[in-house]
Amino acid sequence: AQTVTQSQPEMSVQEAETVTLSCTYDTSESDYYLFWYKQPPSRQMILVIRQEAYKQQNATENRFSVNFQKAAKSFSLKISDSQLGDAAMYFCAYRSVETSGSRLTFGEGTQLTVNP
Amino acid sequence: NAGVMQNPRHLVRRRGQEARLRCSPMKGHSHVYWYRQLPEEGLKFMVYLQKENIIDESGMPKERFSAEFPKEGPSILRIQQVVRGDSAAYFCASSPRQGPYNEQFFGPGTRLTVL
Repeated sequence: AQTVTQSQPEMSVQEAETVTLSCTYDTSESDYYLFWYKQPPSRQMILVIRQEAYKQQNATENRFSVNFQKAAKSFSLKISDSQLGDAAMYFCAYRSVETSGSRLTFGEGTQLTVNP
Repeated sequence: NAGVMQNPRHLVRRRGQEARLRCSPMKGHSHVYWYRQLPEEGLKFMVYLQKENIIDESGMPKERFSAEFPKEGPSILRIQQVVRGDSAAYFCASSPRQGPYNEQFFGPGTRLTVL
């Protein structure tokens, strides 16, 4: 079974600075998808960014980018020019290509605080 | 196009009562996933349904929990004889087709409190 680990329960960053959230995962599969979700105080889950494992190029969405290291099974999220609205719980998630149904397997989350 | 709807948003039950959580997927979506988030934890997969079929229920507790997604109407997650350990946020997600490349769109969740 796949597992996702986020080793940083809490992180903080100054407004306009850059922060990196860590995520590692364990799988024996060669093809899969990785995601970062944001959960603000409203608890609504919002997709931030997605990475396909067979693509070597790191995904980027505006101020959000990932560092995908397949051999190391690492998938970190970098938030540039942090804004107060970025404050939230961030979840890393794994989704299999091979398993029917393709459930999401989530990490435990990192609570990000943005200081003005 | 309205997003995924869940109701109620908050539900309070006493131990031993039944809880019914409803999820209306986005228009055109026929695949529904249920996840549970215990306090201070990440979301855990419970069940995956298509219209009238349960595809994967490997994350569902063996007793007291059931789910359905009828041909007409919302998907229902039913918890019988609730216990305090069932207190959690329950999220529903929907997607238009099967497959990992299809994004799962999440609803706002139902927060269940068992007294």
